Order: sequence, then C-alpha cells, then structure tokens
Amino acid sequence: DAGVIQSPRHEVTEMGQEVTLRCKPISGHNSLFWYRQTMMRGLELLIYFNNNVPIDDSGMPEDRFSAKMPNASFSTLKIQPSEPRDSAVYFCASSFRSAVDLRSGANVLTFGAGSRLTVL
Amino acid sequence: KQEVTQIPAALSVPEGENLVLNCSFTDSAIYNLQWFRQDPGKGLTSLLLIQSSQREQTSGRLNASLDKSSGRSTLYIAASQPGDSATYLCAVRSQGAQKLVFGQGTRLTINP
Repeated sequence: DAGVIQSPRHEVTEMGQEVTLRCKPISGHNSLFWYRQTMMRGLELLIYFNNNVPIDDSGMPEDRFSAKMPNASFSTLKIQPSEPRDSAVYFCASSFRSAVDLRSGANVLTFGAGSRLTVL
Repeated sequence: KQEVTQIPAALSVPEGENLVLNCSFTDSAIYNLQWFRQDPGKGLTSLLLIQSSQREQTSGRLNASLDKSSGRSTLYIAASQPGDSATYLCAVRSQGAQKLVFGQGTRLTINP
C-alpha cells in the first residue's frame, strides 16, 4: 500500500486565490481526518469523516474552508478565498474504525506527507 | 476541553544516552494516548499507542508509560542514536471523542 497520498506537496499562491488540497486515504480505511500544522498552534484537527460523512467540522476556522469526501478513496479541502494566515502544512490522515474500535478507542492514524501551503 | 502539553520543547543530547520525553494532559478521561515521530518536512509516524487500561507499551528501544490519574505519559528512548533526531508528538483521544488532541511536540537532537 502506498499509504495516504496528498497533493500537491507544495503550493504557493496569492491572497484571494482558491486553493484545493487533495487526499487519497489508505484503501479500506473508513475514517479520514484533515489537520493543519503551524509553528504557533501546532497540529489542529479541522474536520473528520466516517464512512464519507462529515462528523465534526468544529475545527474548520471559517466559512472560507470547506471539505468534501465524495467517495471512500478521495477527499478535498478547499480554501476560497485564501489569506496569508492560512499558510501552514495541511495533513490528511486515515484509519480503520470498527464498532469495537469505537468503543475501545483502539485506532492508529496513518498520516500523509502533508501539503505545504504558502499564501503571499 | 482537553489540553496536551509537552516538555521540554527542545532537547539535545549526546549519542548513546537514555532520555525521557514528557507529556501531560488535563482531562484524565481518555481512550488512549499515542506517541508520534515527525521528521522535518514529513508526515507523522505512529510509534506507540497505549490504551487507557494499559500502563506501558514497548517497541524496540522505545518505552511509553501512562499514568491516567496524574495525566502524564513519558516516552523513554534507550541508547539514543543520531537517527532518533526528530520531533516527537504526544496525542490524546478523550472518551466520547474520535479526534486526537496533539501536544506541541519535543524537538530532539542526538549529537554524534
């Protein structure tokens, strides 16, 4: 398995432009998470999906951010319009959660390599 | 609201030393605690996961302990090597929640 695949690895854009980050989770995994990492705030959960359904998007900073998971093998995180303060590394992670896992808490997240976003 | 703190923020030691990284959390009602490693410019790699019912987990030269009542976990690295240089992050999953809350990490440098 190639692991969690994210694209692009690096993106530099100008303020006001639309940014779309993509993620392909590990095949068979049914939970997907989007995290953002900055020096100031560390790793923050933005949103996560179970079985393609958004469960908790309370970490999404503003309406400028949106995420979709149209099928089990693909998710996008979109920022429109982008601002300089959105500059960060965005990580996607996936895991497999069974009913037992949900009760016991047994789960191991596998992270992608991240997408480094710079908004000028 | 769960908060996770890691001390120290950075640590530099000579090769061969045994060392301990610390993690503390404010809410002891947790499902599990995970230690991750992050290399510069890379994603996170899960090292150890400790369930709330466990006291410790071991993997090779790594040993992680958990004391839920005091809200603490430690990651012990034996016989450190330059290849251990990375940022180590602690993450907690609280009961009733599916998300992990991360600490800020400890940046470890092992000097040859």
